[in-house]
Amino acid sequence: DVKVTQSSRYLVKRTGEKVFLECVQDMDHENMFWYRQDPGLGLRLIYFSYDVKMKEKGDIPEGYSVSREKKERFSLILESASTNQTSMYLCASSRQDIPGRFGAGELFFGEGSRLTVL
Amino acid sequence: GESVGLHLPTLSVQEGDNSIINCAYSNSASDYFIWYKQESGKGPQFIIDIRSNMDKRQGQRVTVLLNKTVKHLSLQIAATQPGDSAVYFCAEWGLYNQGGKLIFGQGTELSVKP
Repeated sequence: DVKVTQSSRYLVKRTGEKVFLECVQDMDHENMFWYRQDPGLGLRLIYFSYDVKMKEKGDIPEGYSVSREKKERFSLILESASTNQTSMYLCASSRQDIPGRFGAGELFFGEGSRLTVL
Repeated sequence: GESVGLHLPTLSVQEGDNSIINCAYSNSASDYFIWYKQESGKGPQFIIDIRSNMDKRQGQRVTVLLNKTVKHLSLQIAATQPGDSAVYFCAEWGLYNQGGKLIFGQGTELSVKP
């Protein structure tokens, strides 16, 4: 069974703390993504990566950074957590895209990491 | 502008009935569409996709219909079961000012009554 594993299901952090969210996929996928999910707003793309050491900003990158040192691992970093970053964070991966349409292939999601910033 | 919206945020159906979940999109250049299902406490799971050169695609108990004229997408679930209770998201892939990207709708919560 294909799998995307997020290291923490629930985290509670304080304002100003540095937060690491880890994601590992075992499908040898080239593409990896970080989304946040908020009620009424759907899924919004924070960052994505199409190769090791490559990263691209999504729609809402402010306040976040990412790291992809190995193909199977994609980390989301909150340098200084704030209360408006309280959310559900979803990691996803996908295989090589439909030609000419990056990110249009089937996404495999992890179970999510629910972060609360106090 | 960029938007993928759903006509109804919640849908309640009787077990055994057919369900229809609707989705409107705004970018006429979008050419790939996906439906995802998200059960409580889990990440979204791919259900079915369709490209813009098709009007209809069928899977196991699910059918996706695409009407490009009115920019409307629907997901039909036949003989709805309790296990179908979840939030359903449509997503479109299209070209925007910043390049191509996948945009998710807000989701419709399907509730199946026994």
